[in-house]
Amino acid sequence: QSALTQPASVSGSPGQSVTISCTGTSSDVGNYNYVSWYQQHPGKAPKLIIYDVSNRPSGVSNRFSGSKSGNTASLTISGLQAEDEADYFCSSYASDSYVFGTGTTVAVL
Amino acid sequence: EVQLVESGGGLIQPGGSLTLSCAASGFTFSSYWMHWVRHAPGKGLVWVSRINRDGSTTTYADSVKGRFTISRDNAKNTLYLQMHSLRAEDTAMYYCARRWGISYFFDYWGLGTLVTVSS
Repeated sequence: QSALTQPASVSGSPGQSVTISCTGTSSDVGNYNYVSWYQQHPGKAPKLIIYDVSNRPSGVSNRFSGSKSGNTASLTISGLQAEDEADYFCSSYASDSYVFGTGTTVAVL
Repeated sequence: EVQLVESGGGLIQPGGSLTLSCAASGFTFSSYWMHWVRHAPGKGLVWVSRINRDGSTTTYADSVKGRFTISRDNAKNTLYLQMHSLRAEDTAMYYCARRWGISYFFDYWGLGTLVTVSS
């Protein structure tokens, strides 16, 4: 299976909103509401921030939100903060396996 | 506190073998499906393998099928990944991850262990 496509980088100023897209196919993103998003700071373990397209785990800021339309899922970070500067990966279940995104680096200007 | 700690990575020559371990703590290890995910330099994450709670069911990505074996020892709270016939393209940071309940996402990850396949 091919990786889900994400922009290599996005950036924004503190307080702004940024959106990261995650484009798959009708075999993964488009076929299941099982898209999740992970945040990874350098040298740290990936952290779950969104599951099942739009659900936030307990303890994750409500500045993070997820959505999906067709074969594309999106992660929006509102009220961008310096601590949001990290790599972000999407993932989708895909018929007995999982496919991940290419990863997006978020820069806070 | 849930903790997953990988170990066993290192520099290995092409064609060689290596076994990774993932020590789990802070939760009932035997109650969770466990996965291995890898991250090659400059590339995205790639799902590698999964194992069910008692170790009776395993699944692999096509890229490692027949070369890698996932297993677990619930008495030792440890997940393993035996890797054989290693190739340069297997070079990556290898993470173990816990699947949350009956779901399709990973709620906890380790810090990873680096495998470098090079002569």
